[in-house]
Amino acid sequence: LAKTTQPISMDSYEGQEVNITCSHNNIATNDYITWYQQFPSQGPRFIIQGYKTKVTNEVASLFIPADRKSSTLSLPRVSLSDTAVYYCLVALGGGRRALTFGSGTRLQVQP
Amino acid sequence: EPEVTQTPSHQVTQMGQEVILRCVPISNHLYFYWYRQILGQKVEFLVSFYNNEISEKSEIFDDQFSVERPDGSNFTLKIRSTKLEDSAMYFCASSRTGGTDQPQHFGDGTRLSIL
Repeated sequence: LAKTTQPISMDSYEGQEVNITCSHNNIATNDYITWYQQFPSQGPRFIIQGYKTKVTNEVASLFIPADRKSSTLSLPRVSLSDTAVYYCLVALGGGRRALTFGSGTRLQVQP
Repeated sequence: EPEVTQTPSHQVTQMGQEVILRCVPISNHLYFYWYRQILGQKVEFLVSFYNNEISEKSEIFDDQFSVERPDGSNFTLKIRSTKLEDSAMYFCASSRTGGTDQPQHFGDGTRLSIL
């Protein structure tokens, strides 16, 4: 089973770039890496997904090295509203679609 | 942007009663899921559903739980005889296909409180 490891918490200040790294040593060849954001009392919100190298969208960038054993979510110029829990997910493999959420990284953005 | 919608946002039910949680997945999505999150704990997978059949389920999804797609738009989770430990946020999700390149999109959940 693919398993992810990410920091429990991070602190930042408004306007800074935040990088959250996730390790997934046992990722399967076909699996994508997906990041979600969750605010209290809301559902996980899809942020970005990638397979290799770099992916960028309007809210974040995702960097994946060639060995794919880790990935880094980059949030440019965070604001107070980016305070949330961020989850790094990879599939369980074997065709299973169930997502296994860990504890995520609790990002606290200060003014 | 299309989104998954869930109703009600909060459901209060007496222990032992049946409850049905409703979801409207994104319209062109084919795979549907239910997850739950007990307060302060991790999001847990319950079940996935495709082509009118359960495709995967977790140990949590026992005989007290059932899912149904009664029409072309709704996807429901029924708990037959609720227990206190069923109190949680229940999230519905959908994805266009079952491939890992297709992210699951979540609704904002139903908070289920069992008294």
